[in-house]
Amino acid sequence: AQTVTQSQPEMSVQEAETVTLSCTYDTSESDYYLFWYKQPPSRQMILVIRQEAYKQQNATENRFSVNFQKAAKSFSLKISDSQLGDAAMYFCAYRSVRTSGSRLTFGEGTQLTVNP
Amino acid sequence: ETGVTQTPRHLVMGMTNKKSLKCEQHLGHNAMYWYKQSAKKPLELMFVYNFKEQTENNSVPSRFSPECPNSSHLFLHLHTLQPEDSALYLCASSQEREGPSEKLFFGSGTQLSVL
Repeated sequence: AQTVTQSQPEMSVQEAETVTLSCTYDTSESDYYLFWYKQPPSRQMILVIRQEAYKQQNATENRFSVNFQKAAKSFSLKISDSQLGDAAMYFCAYRSVRTSGSRLTFGEGTQLTVNP
Repeated sequence: ETGVTQTPRHLVMGMTNKKSLKCEQHLGHNAMYWYKQSAKKPLELMFVYNFKEQTENNSVPSRFSPECPNSSHLFLHLHTLQPEDSALYLCASSQEREGPSEKLFFGSGTQLSVL
């Protein structure tokens, strides 16, 4: 079974600065998908970014980018030019390509605070 | 607005009550999910429905009973719950097909407290 670990329960960053959230995972599979989801106080989980394991290039979405290290099974999220609206719980998630559907294995989450 | 609506937003119930959580998706998706989110724990997948058929039940106790009458609606019927069942229950939907992973669209959840 796959597991996802987020070792930082809480992180904080100053507005306009950069922060990196860590995620590691354990799998015996060679092909899979990785995701970062954001859960603001509204509680609605929102997809931030996703990465296909077969792609070597790191995914980017505007101010959000990932550092995907397949051999190390590491998938960190970098948020540049942090904004107050980035404050939320961030979840790292894994999905096997073997299972149909969007069954995700989530980490425990990292609570990000953005200080003005 | 992601197109997935959950009601009620909050629910307090006693251990002998029977209540239901409702989820509706307006996205034309063919798969729906129930997740449980407890404090300090990863989200746990409870049930999966594809084309109204239950395709996964992750060893969920029988006091949780899902119902999917059509591809747009999903219910979670609750009876004789325990205090440890208190959690945020999230509904999600997706459009299932072969190939790259589809996005999961989540509702805002029902915060359940069992007294």
